[in-house]
Amino acid sequence: NFMLTQPHSVSESPGKTVTISCTGSSGSIASSFVQWYQQRPGSAPTTVIYEDYKRPSGVPDRFSGSIDSSSNSASLTISGLKAEDEADYYCQSSDDTKHWVFGGGTRLTVL
Amino acid sequence: EVQLVESGGVAAQPGGSLRLSCAASGFIFDDYTMYWVRQAPGKGLDWVSLISWDGSRTYYADSVKGRFTVSRDNSKASLYLQMNSLRSEDTALYYCVKGGILAWGQGTLVTVSS
Repeated sequence: NFMLTQPHSVSESPGKTVTISCTGSSGSIASSFVQWYQQRPGSAPTTVIYEDYKRPSGVPDRFSGSIDSSSNSASLTISGLKAEDEADYYCQSSDDTKHWVFGGGTRLTVL
Repeated sequence: EVQLVESGGVAAQPGGSLRLSCAASGFIFDDYTMYWVRQAPGKGLDWVSLISWDGSRTYYADSVKGRFTVSRDNSKASLYLQMNSLRSEDTALYYCVKGGILAWGQGTLVTVSS
């Protein structure tokens, strides 16, 4: 079964840059689009990156997404960290049967 | 503005049935694939099902296949999830999600307990 692995937690100081990785277990992560969702405590998820690197309107350009085929991973990078970025972040892609697969989530702490 | 409003979540007994609904507005509903995603208390996101724009194709997570049925009524801009043979492990907040530039509802809580 296709799986996505994320670090359980990351932390960084305000104003700095943090990168959250999402590694595919098999196949090529580049074969299906990767999305990234932000979930603040007590709130529904929102989409911060879709189709690997695209930002929905209203998402600041401090958020960026990328794919690294050599490591079979996707990354979410947040620059100029703000306290409001503190949240859980989930990556998501699809397997070859069109089923969605989520990473386990990464808790971002802004120190 | 895209709006997705889920309803129908209540407390149910193991083996029981529930029907969740999602009312959509702010976009052309029948242009998009729709999804159900759930989140158990304190846990991560868990994909449940998807339905194509016209309802002709449906897909389910192995954990719900044969028990849950997704459907849609494009004339009412509504998505549904019929949940049968409920189990305690189905306890979760159930989100309706729009395809394309993905948008999420606020969720409806299903609690399965005797």
